[in-house]
Amino acid sequence: QSALTQPASVSGSPGQSITISCAGTGADIGSYNLVSWYRHHPGNAPKLIIFEVVQRPSGVSDRFSGSRSGNTASLTISGLQADDEADYYCCSYVSRNTSWVFGGGTKLTVL
Amino acid sequence: EAQLVESGGGSVQLGESLRLSCVVSGLPFTTYWMHWARQAPGKGLVWVARIRGDGKSTTYADSVKGRFTISRDNAKSTLYLQMDSLRVEDTAVYYCARGYNYRFDYWGQGTLVSVSP
Repeated sequence: QSALTQPASVSGSPGQSITISCAGTGADIGSYNLVSWYRHHPGNAPKLIIFEVVQRPSGVSDRFSGSRSGNTASLTISGLQADDEADYYCCSYVSRNTSWVFGGGTKLTVL
Repeated sequence: EAQLVESGGGSVQLGESLRLSCVVSGLPFTTYWMHWARQAPGKGLVWVARIRGDGKSTTYADSVKGRFTISRDNAKSTLYLQMDSLRVEDTAVYYCARGYNYRFDYWGQGTLVSVSP
């Protein structure tokens, strides 16, 4: 199972919005509403920020939103803040072999 | 406060074994699937294995099947990963995570495993 495809890096200024794409196939992202996103400050525990494509866990800011079009999922962060600088990973369940596949990660830099 | 704390990482030689542990506190443990994932240096996250709450069902990534064994002790709220026949490409930070409805809702901070040739 190949990793999902994410841009290696994105950047934005405080207050701006950015979108991170996550390209997969009909066997993963396109199959079920089981796409999740994680924020990871290196050295810390990854944190769930989006699940089931568009859902936010309790306590996660509404500045984070998810969407999907065909086999590509996206994460949008609005009102960028300095603390948003982190690595972001998308993930999809793959029912064919009962496994999960992650994207390669996107490093967000807040200018 | 929910906490998942991994331990047991270290430096080993090619072909050796290592056992990782993950102690869970502040969270229900017994009824949840638990997972291991890893991140090689400079690479993204990769899912490794999962185990059902009762310990009777496990699934592995093809890359570790037959070499790694996931287990749990519900009385101790502890998850394990026995890693045998280690390869250089197993070098990574290993994370434990709780699974809930096909997502990973809580993660640990990871433990580093380094395999040298």
